Amino acid sequence: AQSVTQLGSHVSVSEGALVLLRCNYSSSVPPYLFWYVQYPNQGLQLLLKYTSAATLVKGINGFEAEFKKSETSFHLTKPSAHMSDAAEYFCAVNAGNNRKLIWGLGTSLAVNP
Amino acid sequence: EAGVTQFPSHSVIEKGQTVTLRCDPISGHDNLYWYRRVMGKEIKFLLHFVKESKQDESGMPNNRFLAERTGGTYSTLKVQPAELEDSGVYFCASSQARGSGANVLTFGAGSRLTVL
Repeated sequence: AQSVTQLGSHVSVSEGALVLLRCNYSSSVPPYLFWYVQYPNQGLQLLLKYTSAATLVKGINGFEAEFKKSETSFHLTKPSAHMSDAAEYFCAVNAGNNRKLIWGLGTSLAVNP
Repeated sequence: EAGVTQFPSHSVIEKGQTVTLRCDPISGHDNLYWYRRVMGKEIKFLLHFVKESKQDESGMPNNRFLAERTGGTYSTLKVQPAELEDSGVYFCASSQARGSGANVLTFGAGSRLTVL
């Protein structure tokens, strides 16, 4: 069975600081991994995805994530936080042929001026 | 290209009443999914349509939930009768039929259901 663990339900950073949101997964087959973001009063928006190509994946808004099989991790980073990055971030795994996403609990990111 | 549209955006009903949520996927997307997030918990899969057929409904909580996708276009999710534990945000998503796009889901803004 697949599972996703996001460490830290709330993360707070200062504007301009590094953003690091952690995601660990469990999967018995090679996974597809995703990060989605939900801004206030909006839907879930795809930030980036790993689909077995390059292990370092670049997404929108300056975010990137690195797939590390040995650590079963897919942490999300951004070098310099912006106020507009304040949102809730979700890591999800899709393993197998059913295309069903298994989600983490989400991490709420606050950016302080 | 229009995105995935869901309505109502928010519905408040009393226990025992019926609510129907609607989802209009991106035109041409054969795959349509329903997910739900109950407060404080992770987003969970409810079911998956391929065109008008239910591909996987393993996540449907119980028989009070009925999903349809007549004609393979929009979908409805009916809860009848609603219970307190049905409160949450219901997300709809769609994706292309095949290829790399099939694994990339585009989500709607969600329908927040509050059962009092």
